[in-house]
Amino acid sequence: DAKTTQPPSMDCAEGRAANLPCNHSTISGNEYVYWYRQIHSQGPQYIIHGLKNNETNEMASLIITEDRKSSTLILPHATLRDTAVYYCIVRRGSQGNLIFGKGTKLSVKP
Amino acid sequence: DSGVTQTPKHLITATGQRVTLRCSPRSGDLSVYWYQQSLDQGLQFLIQYYNGEERAKGNILERFSAQQFPDLHSELNLSSLELGDSALYFCASSVAMQETPNTEAFFGQGTRLTVV
Repeated sequence: DAKTTQPPSMDCAEGRAANLPCNHSTISGNEYVYWYRQIHSQGPQYIIHGLKNNETNEMASLIITEDRKSSTLILPHATLRDTAVYYCIVRRGSQGNLIFGKGTKLSVKP
Repeated sequence: DSGVTQTPKHLITATGQRVTLRCSPRSGDLSVYWYQQSLDQGLQFLIQYYNGEERAKGNILERFSAQQFPDLHSELNLSSLELGDSALYFCASSVAMQETPNTEAFFGQGTRLTVV
């Protein structure tokens, strides 16, 4: 599985957009980019995933660069409840399991 | 609510003992995954089952074992417990596995195991 690199922590002002970067320079053609978050010891929560096109759902947007070597998760209007650890995961097409790294701890401040 | 149910929520036991953690996947999900999260540690993948069969193994100790039953619920058995086994144990489920990589996995709220 391709390895991902994320900043260990980020701050964001409440109401502003939170942009969380992820590098996955060794990603293969059949690997998807997944984002999960974990709020204070709760079970990880699925956010969004994509292959090569940008994706948007009710929670967030995922922007994947054309060469697929990096991506950005965007929370358009961050709230205090978005404070969590965000995990970027590259998932190989032949596997069902998700391998978590250390993630980015996002702190949303009033 | 993810639809994945884990019981018990909390468990306190002594060293050397054996415990069983239970996971009921979402309706229709065939794959079950187990993860361990120690204090201030990341999520470590332990094992995956698909429709009753073991499909992938991660960093699972020999003292730990799991199974998935015909009704698709799964149990994680932890034996000869040590203080270091204290952790959150999460179960996740998804619809399918290898052939459909673009399916998400949903996590339960975990079982907090404390070994004293």
